[in-house]
Amino acid sequence: SAVISQKPSRDICQRGTSLTIQCQVDSQVTMMFWYRQQPGQSLTLIATANQGSEATYESGFVIDKFPISRPNLTFSTLTVSNMSPEDSSIYLCSVDQLVSGNTIYFGEGSWLTVV
Amino acid sequence: AQKITQTQPGMFVQEKEAVTLDCTYDTSDQSYGLFWYKQPSSGEMIFLIYQGSYDEQNATEGRYSLNFQKARKSANLVISASQLGDSAMYFCAMRESNDYKLSFGAGTTVTVRA
Repeated sequence: SAVISQKPSRDICQRGTSLTIQCQVDSQVTMMFWYRQQPGQSLTLIATANQGSEATYESGFVIDKFPISRPNLTFSTLTVSNMSPEDSSIYLCSVDQLVSGNTIYFGEGSWLTVV
Repeated sequence: AQKITQTQPGMFVQEKEAVTLDCTYDTSDQSYGLFWYKQPSSGEMIFLIYQGSYDEQNATEGRYSLNFQKARKSANLVISASQLGDSAMYFCAMRESNDYKLSFGAGTTVTVRA
């Protein structure tokens, strides 16, 4: 199975600031995704990180607020820009590893609290 | 319309007993995949089990088994011989053939009592 590392695991941020979350995978993967989980809620897909091109954003999410980079097949970053308390969530990186069957793995998550 | 429905917000189970978590789904696709994840209080999402729509047998992974009833569009997770460490939130999710993303249910919180 893929090993996915996310940094930071937790952070407390001041409103109005931005934070970048990193996702590193131990093997090359085709598809990488970023999800948000607000407190007490289920997961919502923010965007698909595409290698070599702009990310594909889901309805309700925009690049200016959640810029994403994917410089290669093992790494991606998600930035949460101009944060407000409503951005307090767990942000999860996910990869699709069809090589070992139909399995979609998640990183450990990044807990962000905006104060 | 909600694609994944988990109707049990929370459940209590006695240690060593089995528990069934309900999941129903809605899709018009013939080809799709169903996933179950465990999320402990630490926040990570742990993959448990996968069932493909064309799989003839119910998936099993250790103490986890999936009761797949295609005609009823249900994919219930059964955890046998519950352990204290099974206390967590459990999410059912689906990916359809024409989509790349997972659609998640609301989740079920399981609390295992000693």
